[in-house]
Amino acid sequence: EIVLTQSPDTLSLSPGERVTVSCRASQSVRSSYLAWYQQKPAQAPRLLIFGASSRATGIPDRFSGSGSGTDFTLTISRLEPEDFAVYFCQHYGSSRWTFGQGTKVEIK
Amino acid sequence: QVQLVQSGAEVKKPGASVKVSCKASGYTLTDNYMHWVRQAPGQGLEWMGWINPSSGGTNYAQKFQGRVTMTRDTSINTAYMELSRLRSDDTAVYFCARVPTLRYCFDMWGQGTMVTVSS
Repeated sequence: EIVLTQSPDTLSLSPGERVTVSCRASQSVRSSYLAWYQQKPAQAPRLLIFGASSRATGIPDRFSGSGSGTDFTLTISRLEPEDFAVYFCQHYGSSRWTFGQGTKVEIK
Repeated sequence: QVQLVQSGAEVKKPGASVKVSCKASGYTLTDNYMHWVRQAPGQGLEWMGWINPSSGGTNYAQKFQGRVTMTRDTSINTAYMELSRLRSDDTAVYFCARVPTLRYCFDMWGQGTMVTVSS
């Protein structure tokens, strides 16, 4: 089973700063099977990125995804106040769906 | 409006069962696979399995096999997840989530159902 490890666990940043969240897979995965989500307190996750780099409908272009093989990255070019949340990566493979442990982006 | 609406919070005793519903509106349930994901308090997301609402076929995560049953009622556009032999560590928010055709992600989520297991 593929394990996804995100880093860091927590980021303390100010509005306007650039955010980079890493998601590392325990073995090489297909980029088309990698997605990113945002979750705010007491809300369901929201799809941001699918296929490693495609933005979901309605997602602002300050969000971008990249990577291949075992290393994937979610980037927020300039943090907006509404972007403070927890971010998860997710993978599908061998009929199983797995999530990273999450990265919290908090206000510094 | 396309959305998934789940049933309300539940409190159960250890050993009991819980059945959570997920009603699809704005689209036809049978058009997409439906998955269930849970989240224990303060923890990450855990995939439980899926149902193909068109055929009724299911695929469960190994951890839940023997305890989880996913069903659907296409006449009312609703999917269900039943978890039996509840333990305290089953206390979590349970989400239904739709997978779009030819994609490998969850593009729509229910609002979540809190299930508390306590004696």
